[in-house]
Amino acid sequence: NAGVMQNPRHLVRRRGQEARLRCSPMKGHSHVYWYRQLPEEGLKFMVYLQKENIIDESGMPKERFSAEFPKEGPSILRIQQVVRGDSAAYFCASSESDRVYEQYFGPGTRLTVT
Amino acid sequence: ILNVEQSPQSLHVQEGDSTNFTCSFPSSNFYALHWYRWETAKSPEALFVMTLNGDEKKKGRISATLNTKEGYSYLYIKGSQPEDSATYLCAWDRYSGYALNFGKGTSLLVTP
Repeated sequence: NAGVMQNPRHLVRRRGQEARLRCSPMKGHSHVYWYRQLPEEGLKFMVYLQKENIIDESGMPKERFSAEFPKEGPSILRIQQVVRGDSAAYFCASSESDRVYEQYFGPGTRLTVT
Repeated sequence: ILNVEQSPQSLHVQEGDSTNFTCSFPSSNFYALHWYRWETAKSPEALFVMTLNGDEKKKGRISATLNTKEGYSYLYIKGSQPEDSATYLCAWDRYSGYALNFGKGTSLLVTP
């Protein structure tokens, strides 16, 4: 049973470009969470999605960031017009159900904005 | 402010020592407390999810306790081994929301 997959593992973008980060949850998991780890900071929640629905996006910046989890295919975190401050490690996690179930993390995507 | 504090920030012990870390969290609006282990260059790995005051969980040499009334959890490692070297994260899940609020972690180094 493959774990949570994220790609790419490393992504370099110039300021102003778009970044697309992909997350395939574990088989049978329909709940996806995105987290960001800025340099010298802990993991910060961004958004929680179930299939085709955004449930909680309270941690996501209002501008330039969006997330989706379509019926078919991976969850996508999209950052438009990236700036240097977006450089961070982005992790996705999936769970079988919400709340008290364990979240299984992917290896992360390290985004560098030059 | 939804602060989760972990102490100590880092710890260096000898193989065979037993050790423990603390996670402090807001006691109001509590839903669950998660512990994760995060080895360098790997993904965070779930250790425990605890929901009830007084909960105790155990996995091999690692165990955890929970006090929701005073807002703290302890993680214990008995007879530390070099392979226990990792960062240990706790995360607080509040009732009114879905976000896990992570602490910055305790970095443990176990030397032979």
